Amino acid sequence: GAVVSQHPSWVICKSGTSVKIECRSLDFQATTMFWYRQFPKQSLMLMATSNEGSKATYEQGVEKDKFLINHASLTLSTLTVTSAHPEDSSFYICSAREVTVEQYFGPGTRLTVT
Amino acid sequence: AQTVTQSQPEMSVQEAETVTLSCTYDTSESNYYLFWYKQPPSRQMILVIRQEAYKQQNATENRFSVNFQKAAKSFSLKISDSQLGDTAMYFCAFRGRTSYDKVIFGPGTSLSVIP
Repeated sequence: GAVVSQHPSWVICKSGTSVKIECRSLDFQATTMFWYRQFPKQSLMLMATSNEGSKATYEQGVEKDKFLINHASLTLSTLTVTSAHPEDSSFYICSAREVTVEQYFGPGTRLTVT
Repeated sequence: AQTVTQSQPEMSVQEAETVTLSCTYDTSESNYYLFWYKQPPSRQMILVIRQEAYKQQNATENRFSVNFQKAAKSFSLKISDSQLGDTAMYFCAFRGRTSYDKVIFGPGTSLSVIP
């Protein structure tokens, strides 16, 4: 199946700093990418949907200015957590879809804000 | 708005036995997709099985099969001959038919396979 990568797999940052997470589709062109957040022992919560070359569509309650999403190409999307705080510590998962039904998930990024 | 419910937060099964995980959903759409995803301790999401609503035949993938009841909006997953590697979180998920429809996940069921 298709492969989605995320980098980094784990990042620790200090409160007040920004951190960028990359999501790449390695062997297909992703027309749509999704960013999820997952707290321990909970389900995946969709944060935003992005289409290549367009602004991301954020879910209700997700701060657009805090979680900046850029879908710069058909193989790359980035999530930047700006002015991170300890409550932003979580597991972030990206997912990519081409024009078919299938949606492929990255391995996730653990963010720890100290 | 669509919702997905999984009423069993935790389940356990003896190795080699059969277990069924429940899922119900709510939607006003007539055509859609339903999925079961597995999330092992590595946290990598793995697609277990997919069902298209317009297909009456229940999907099967090796030891995994579903019981899709469209009128009842029920979509259960049966795991036969349970293996230790089946220990994971299982999420039921819904997606509408259009290309940009997002996938909505249920709260998950934590399955433990006991040797």
